[in-house]
Amino acid sequence: DAKTTQPPSMDCAEGRAANLPCNHSTISGNEYVYWYRQIHSQGPQYIIHGLKNNETNEMASLIITEDRKSSTLILPHATLRDTAVYYCIVRPRDLTGANNLFFGTGTRLTVIP
Amino acid sequence: KAGVTQTPRYLIKTRGQQVTLSCSPISGHRSVSWYQQTPGQGLQFLFEYFSETQRNKGNFPGRFSGRQFSNSRSEMNVSTLELGDSALYLCASSLTSGTTDTQYFGPGTRLTVL
Repeated sequence: DAKTTQPPSMDCAEGRAANLPCNHSTISGNEYVYWYRQIHSQGPQYIIHGLKNNETNEMASLIITEDRKSSTLILPHATLRDTAVYYCIVRPRDLTGANNLFFGTGTRLTVIP
Repeated sequence: KAGVTQTPRYLIKTRGQQVTLSCSPISGHRSVSWYQQTPGQGLQFLFEYFSETQRNKGNFPGRFSGRQFSNSRSEMNVSTLELGDSALYLCASSLTSGTTDTQYFGPGTRLTVL
């Protein structure tokens, strides 16, 4: 049961920052925000995750609002290889929880030359 | 460290046949989850195996089954194939079960049922 809302599609110019929004207004205190992307017909690729603080790694930055009801994934300098479907997923951190991810429909990001 | 591997990458079967797909997790990972992806239904969870035991199961008929071996490698089997079973089958591995660890996906097996 997807608990996130994402725009179906976005365009971004090559070399510019891509900002992908995600709404998760019903997120609870023990739920993390995960981002994956899927390049056409490949397996989903893990990008980043966070709880309430902003996170950054070599691929992207994750900005989570203070009320945790929304977040933004930032690809700082988009390239053509970043064209993919991006999924925002909320997931509790629970040792006994069901280890399955609920993928919604995601955002199809197209990077334009 | 090698990623998740899946074999075969592509498979063509006919209705009524059965098929077995294989998944080798990242070294040290003990949980393997399987997903089905179709254009109509998107990515859907099939089941998870941890320590050779099925821990969770999605809403799929009994024709879909799986197992995990002592080295954490996993197989899934689909019996009596139907046209609607044509899909990309993905497996993902994580260090442990539960939801504390990140899942990493393999490249998938593309199954076509004729």
